[in-house]
Amino acid sequence: DTEVTQTPKHLVMGMTNKKSLKCEQHMGHRAMYWYKQKAKKPPELMFVYSYEKLSINESVPSRFSPECPNSSLLNLHLHALQPEDSALYLCASSPLALREMADTQYFGPGTRLTVL
Amino acid sequence: AQSVTQLDSQVPVFEEAPVELRCNYSSSVSVYLFWYVQYPNQGLQLLLKYLSGSTLVESINGFEAEFNKSQTSFHLRKPSVHISDTAEYFCAVSTGRQGAQKLVFGQGTRLTINP
Repeated sequence: DTEVTQTPKHLVMGMTNKKSLKCEQHMGHRAMYWYKQKAKKPPELMFVYSYEKLSINESVPSRFSPECPNSSLLNLHLHALQPEDSALYLCASSPLALREMADTQYFGPGTRLTVL
Repeated sequence: AQSVTQLDSQVPVFEEAPVELRCNYSSSVSVYLFWYVQYPNQGLQLLLKYLSGSTLVESINGFEAEFNKSQTSFHLRKPSVHISDTAEYFCAVSTGRQGAQKLVFGQGTRLTINP
């Protein structure tokens, strides 16, 4: 089973709202990722959690706040977003298998976010 | 730093024709290479990957890619495409280190299959 789930599928929010995106995996993976994808562009890495600790922050504005409550769950808290933040937000996970040099990332279906 | 170049932003082909999607990378260290496919309004699905060993790798749906170190390429091929192969295809590279790694993506190639 290589499934990463994301909720909600679609989200519309105003610039003053606070909302959260949720990502879940039950594959025992120990790394989880948030990506942002604008239309007709490749995904851009935002955050990486390894063993529930934030290991990479790609200089993302503080209006995006990630959280990793446990090894299966990853949240992205949103506050005071701008219309240009409208995009597809993708979550991914990877095993961090020590015996394998290359760590393969598996993606969820994404949350389509629209900021009005 | 690594980079990935997908030479064609769009590739239109007729159904049952062969197709090649080109991918070149640059890196000063060992790399691992991936092809992901994104169907309309969906997330990315892993199509195939090269980690080590045989330079020719295959997917379950008839795609294959060959790692060519001398030409720094990882082109994706399929001998006969179907309408259902219409999608965006991303080539990606990661560095050869353990742990959570950054994937560097190419700009993507939109494959359109015409009947």
